[in-house]
Amino acid sequence: DGGITQSPKYLFRKEGQNVTLSCEQNLNHDAMYWYRQDPGQGLRLIYYSQIVNDFQKGDIAEGYSVSREKKESFPLTVTSAQKNPTAFYLCASSRQLYQPQHFGDGTRLSIL
Amino acid sequence: DQQVKQNSPSLSVQEGRISILNCDYTNSMFDYFLWYKKYPAEGPTFLISISSIKDKNEDGRFTVFLNKSAKHLSLHIVPSQPGDSAVYFCAATDGGSQGNLIFGKGTKLSVKP
Repeated sequence: DGGITQSPKYLFRKEGQNVTLSCEQNLNHDAMYWYRQDPGQGLRLIYYSQIVNDFQKGDIAEGYSVSREKKESFPLTVTSAQKNPTAFYLCASSRQLYQPQHFGDGTRLSIL
Repeated sequence: DQQVKQNSPSLSVQEGRISILNCDYTNSMFDYFLWYKKYPAEGPTFLISISSIKDKNEDGRFTVFLNKSAKHLSLHIVPSQPGDSAVYFCAATDGGSQGNLIFGKGTKLSVKP
C-alpha cells in the first residue's frame, strides 16, 4: 500500500534540544511539505520541497530546518531556536506542486 | 490576516439531511480550491477540489460550489452519514511558485443518527 509514514506518533523533547521528525513516502511524489497545526488553527506551511535537493521556506520556517536528499524522505528538525515547538506536525506529498496533497497521520511534539 | 476563513467552528446535522460547509477567501488570485476531511489523530484526507474556471464540481455525495464574485465556496454533503463526522478544512492556492495551500481553521461536522 502506498502512503506517507510519519514517525514517531508522539515525541517529547526537553527544552534546548533539537529533535528530528521523520517523513517517508512511497508514492513516487516529487513534492513534499511540512505543516504545523495548533489547536483551533488551520495548517500552516513550514517548509516544502518541489524536488530532491531543493526546498523552500514556508510561512513559519523560523526555528526549523529540513533536508531532501532522497525523493522518499523529507525529515524536519525542530531546533532549540523554535520558541513554541509544542504542536501537531503533518507531512504531506503531492505528485507535483499545486496538486492535491496526501497527508501522513502526524507527529505530536510536546516539550517536557 | 486570514486569507481563507471558515466562520463556523462546528455544525450539527441529522443523518440523511444535507450538510453545507462554507468557506470564504480574500485573495482574488486564488484559482484552485480543495476540501480536506480530518478524523482525530489522523492526517487530513483530500476530498474534492474545484478550479476557478468552474462553478461546480460533483463527486458522489459531495459537491463543491464556487462563487468567484462573492469569493465564497461551499461543500454540500447529501445525504449526510454518521461516518461523515469529522473536521473539514477548506484550502486554496494561487498556483504561484510556492505552490502553497492556505488552509482555513476547519469546521467540525457532527452527523447524528
